[in-house]
Amino acid sequence: DAKTTQPPSMDCAEGRAANLPCNHSTISGNEYVYWYRQIHSQGPQYIIHGLKNNETNEMASLIITEDRKSSTLILPHATLRDTAVYYCIVSPPGTASKLTFGTGTRLQVTL
Amino acid sequence: GAVVSQHPSWVICKSGTSVKIECRSLDFQATTMFWYRQFPKQSLMLMATSNEGSKATYEQGVEKDKFLINHASLTLSTLTVTSAHPEDSSFYICSARGIPGQGGFGEKLFFGSGTQLSVL
Repeated sequence: DAKTTQPPSMDCAEGRAANLPCNHSTISGNEYVYWYRQIHSQGPQYIIHGLKNNETNEMASLIITEDRKSSTLILPHATLRDTAVYYCIVSPPGTASKLTFGTGTRLQVTL
Repeated sequence: GAVVSQHPSWVICKSGTSVKIECRSLDFQATTMFWYRQFPKQSLMLMATSNEGSKATYEQGVEKDKFLINHASLTLSTLTVTSAHPEDSSFYICSARGIPGQGGFGEKLFFGSGTQLSVL
């Protein structure tokens, strides 16, 4: 079973920040938080991941609470092309560690 | 650019035939690859873990004799859907995780673009 909880859907106006929450209250000490997104009929795309510190890259920012029980993915300036299903996943490190997908959040960016 | 190449992107076959899907890791070696299946409007479901040089590990409820997995090299895994039937029609996706220390690919899981299988 997936170990994360996300809202099923969210809307965001184009140009505004999209803040996608994720609850992972049972996360273990060595598990990373990963975020992927899937645009219709494509394979999931890696966005960002982190262990306990906040992370930022060219796509997004990841804010992890101090107790690591929840996190927020921030798309600073959402565009129509960011419309996708966003998955928050927790997984330990290691090449053989599989990712178990939950139902994700369907983000709809509108004009 | 893409670091996991999956082929073909889509395939249509007759019921009872077998279909092979290839998954290649580009720019990095993958001792482990994962195969997922996704039905319309549903999330990805892990089918099996493909291990280079050894037998694949299948998730509960996945028929290993129907979904044959071969991982003969560090860059190639194949999934063969044997005697395909219409209920096998789905979107199949492979993924691979880099080896830490190999050019920074470690810790990330990269996905192929997926294969849409339609069985008539």
